[in-house]
Amino acid sequence: QKEVEQDPGPLSVPEGAIVSLNCTYSNSAFQYFMWYRQYSRKGPELLMYTYSSGNKEDGRFTAQVDKSSKYISLFIRDSQPSDSATYLCATQRPGGGNQFYFGTGTSLTVIP
Amino acid sequence: NAGVTQTPKFRVLKTGQSMTLLCAQDMNHEYMYWYRQDPGMGLRLIHYSVGEGTTAKGEVPDGYNVSRLKKQNFLLGLESAAPSQTSVYFCASSSLQRVISTDTQYFGPGTRLTVL
Repeated sequence: QKEVEQDPGPLSVPEGAIVSLNCTYSNSAFQYFMWYRQYSRKGPELLMYTYSSGNKEDGRFTAQVDKSSKYISLFIRDSQPSDSATYLCATQRPGGGNQFYFGTGTSLTVIP
Repeated sequence: NAGVTQTPKFRVLKTGQSMTLLCAQDMNHEYMYWYRQDPGMGLRLIHYSVGEGTTAKGEVPDGYNVSRLKKQNFLLGLESAAPSQTSVYFCASSSLQRVISTDTQYFGPGTRLTVL
């Protein structure tokens, strides 16, 4: 079983829609969760991170962690064409060591 | 401040040829990583380094070697390229943070490698 599982999509939504991107993880010891955004032919860039459980909001983006179900989500409100990208969830190996496990990514297209 | 840079951006090799990918970072980060990204497989860690002169194996190290002679550089070598190594290679770096919640990784733009 992979450490992080992610539905690859693709996901296509109209501009202004609310987008929900989701991942599941396998190890209850994971505490640090990240969302990366990757534009076509570019490297991933960190979008948001959360520690442990709960919600974190940054503008139109909200990251949510449900530790009871080992489920992490990224919500995008008022989606824009510029949000069209692949979104990768990730978590950090317990105990530090700065090793990270990534999901396969969900491709999102926001149609004007 | 250029962040993380990778050289070259593109390369086509024939089976059996060798090459070295260069990664450089100017953020004084202790940790550096090499990943490969393939469709449906996501980012997979090849090798990583926790400091100058140190390297360690990741998830898919076979067929690759690395060196970290200088803190700012991390080299990935393919001694005898195979078609299965056709991929997009990303380098990343991160700092050593004692407060775990502030760890982040910064990625380079990637190298697209095709092995014929």
